Amino acid sequence: ETGVTQTPRHLVMGMTNKKSLKCEQHLGHNAMYWYKQSAKKPLELMFVYSLEERVENNSVPSRFSPECPNSSHLFLHLHTLQPEDSALYLCASSQVAQGGTEAFFGQGTRLTVV
Amino acid sequence: GENVEQHPSTLSVQEGDSAVIKCTYSDSASNYFPWYKQELGKRPQLIIDIRSNVGEKKDQRIAVTLNKTAKHFSLHITETQPEDSAVYFCAASILGGGGNKLTFGTGTQLKVEL
Repeated sequence: ETGVTQTPRHLVMGMTNKKSLKCEQHLGHNAMYWYKQSAKKPLELMFVYSLEERVENNSVPSRFSPECPNSSHLFLHLHTLQPEDSALYLCASSQVAQGGTEAFFGQGTRLTVV
Repeated sequence: GENVEQHPSTLSVQEGDSAVIKCTYSDSASNYFPWYKQELGKRPQLIIDIRSNVGEKKDQRIAVTLNKTAKHFSLHITETQPEDSAVYFCAASILGGGGNKLTFGTGTQLKVEL
């Protein structure tokens, strides 16, 4: 499989549940990102991992916890979420090199918190 | 931090006409300006990008212009077709060792009518 793949595609969870979103990139990139896409709002950058080191945490609540075990995999661990956290969560990857490269997005995980 | 504004939020054109979407950014250090197309239920896909050392870039029916002094950049689509109907997002970032941290505009819903 090529590109950036995310699982699951859809997730419904209760506010007391713990779940994880998974992202895998097959592009040989060394930077990975989590974005949140809510209705009527721009895509919001949540976390950035560059060379497996977290370089950005955009004031995201601690109920979202990222993990990047290697340059190909990225997780977003979720616990005690709120209904307003319902959104499309997009993973992206890019190459950190001379000048950098475009960001490629996965299909996203549609999360509904009930 | 960076702030990107995008106009219009919706745009309806007749097939064959041109469409123009405009964005402004606030951080003069931004040096990379991509445009993404997102069809319903699909991932954002890069359609064209421009770096700050270039004023204009064209790829078939799509062109992007950049005015660094005014901090404006625009997407131009000529000879629009029904398959151009989608949401278009502009973004800005500073490419570097910390990855490609994109700040997105709020999106433009383009509808191409027959």
